[in-house]
Amino acid sequence: QVQLVESGGGLVKPGGSLRLSCAASGFTFSDYYMSWIRQAPGKGLEWVSYISLSSTYTNYADSVKGRFTISRDNAKNSLYLQMNSLRAEDTAVYSCARTKGISMVRGVIAPYFDYWGQGTPVTVSS
Amino acid sequence: QSVLTQPPSVSAAPGQKVTISCSGSSSNIGDNYVSWYQQLPGTAPKLLIYDNNKRPSGIPDRFSGSKSGTSATLGITGLQTGDEADYYCGTWDSSLSVVVFGGGTKLTVL
Repeated sequence: QVQLVESGGGLVKPGGSLRLSCAASGFTFSDYYMSWIRQAPGKGLEWVSYISLSSTYTNYADSVKGRFTISRDNAKNSLYLQMNSLRAEDTAVYSCARTKGISMVRGVIAPYFDYWGQGTPVTVSS
Repeated sequence: QSVLTQPPSVSAAPGQKVTISCSGSSSNIGDNYVSWYQQLPGTAPKLLIYDNNKRPSGIPDRFSGSKSGTSATLGITGLQTGDEADYYCGTWDSSLSVVVFGGGTKLTVL
């Protein structure tokens, strides 16, 4: 069965950095786009970033562009999110999600998320 | 403020039907497929509907999706207490080149 397990969250001061990881199992990781999605306490879902099969394509929400970097290691079935210059408004639970509906080769961008991890909490506070 | 607009809450009695609306614009819902997610308390979101009206394997046909113009609707029939959850719509925004979600709708089964 598909499993996505995030780790790396914690408490960090404003301006600090954190690297999140997502370990995938139960499917051929290299066959799927992957995304990070966050949820601030008591708030709704906010898409953060996605990455293509071979890391050729990445995309970011404006709120994190230039500060966050998504990456993947297909040999390790792992997804990462490097978060720099963290702000209080980045406080959220960060989840990785298997992403479907995107094919840059076919010019199709209709993303949806068919499996989600439970998430890892990130708190940015002094 | 979310790009997609959903009612904050809806309610209905067990066994009844409820609909949850998701309103957008020509650059998002009007031009792209919509997906819907169910988030039970304390759990990760679960995909209910993709490509406007398709159900993943294992999702009962009590759940349905539709789209008309710049709005989409999630329908749930035969409501059960276990359906109490937050429901989110999502789609691609062609102008912003990002994924956008609605603010979520809390369903209460009275």
